[in-house]
Amino acid sequence: QSVLTQPPSVSGAPGQRVTISCTGSSSNIGAGYDVHWYQQLPGTAPKLLIYGNSNRPSGVPDRFSGSKSGTSASLAITGLQAEDEADYYCQSYDSALSAYYVFGTGTKVTVL
Amino acid sequence: EVQLLESGRGLVQPGGSLRLSCAASGFTFSNYAMSWVRQAPGKGLEWVSSISGSGGTTYYADSVKGRFTISRDNSKNTLYLQMSFLRAEDTALYYCAKTVGYPWWFDHWGQGTLVTVSS
Repeated sequence: QSVLTQPPSVSGAPGQRVTISCTGSSSNIGAGYDVHWYQQLPGTAPKLLIYGNSNRPSGVPDRFSGSKSGTSASLAITGLQAEDEADYYCQSYDSALSAYYVFGTGTKVTVL
Repeated sequence: EVQLLESGRGLVQPGGSLRLSCAASGFTFSNYAMSWVRQAPGKGLEWVSSISGSGGTTYYADSVKGRFTISRDNSKNTLYLQMSFLRAEDTALYYCAKTVGYPWWFDHWGQGTLVTVSS
């Protein structure tokens, strides 16, 4: 059972902006630990999308942006494209668990 | 280019054992921590275990502690996961991941290797 909660699904038309929330607690995001985001295209391995709350690895389009506030974080996709249809996961560290590294429940993004 | 290639997939009976390997290339293997992350069929990602670059420090999720052992051979650029006392709930696609930062995150992933535990 994940300690980081995400909406199961979000959708938007091409060109629109969608956001995905990642809600944690005082032992993970709220404790100041960074949040990272991964994109998993259908049938493929996850790919790092955002690290350290808001940083994009080389090659990730600037349509993807991340932010963090309090016990939550968000991933925004602007100018939604068909190729963005995928599952998205947040990830952080939890000091209260011996699981240490925790992932969000995952969000399926559908491009209408 | 970073490449991670997992192997060792298989079907094993409950209570059995299996060893996964992950061959790494494209980076200085010993300089980086490495991790295993799994994904049960149709489910989300679950962190399993991590090991420091030297191999001297290991971490495990409670769900596998005492049953799985992570190790590495830096002379062979290879990461391992020895899995014992396997349960049906261990059935998953197992990914190895290059691990960076601290607390860690996972900047490159292999394609995964499937482990099925069933009688």
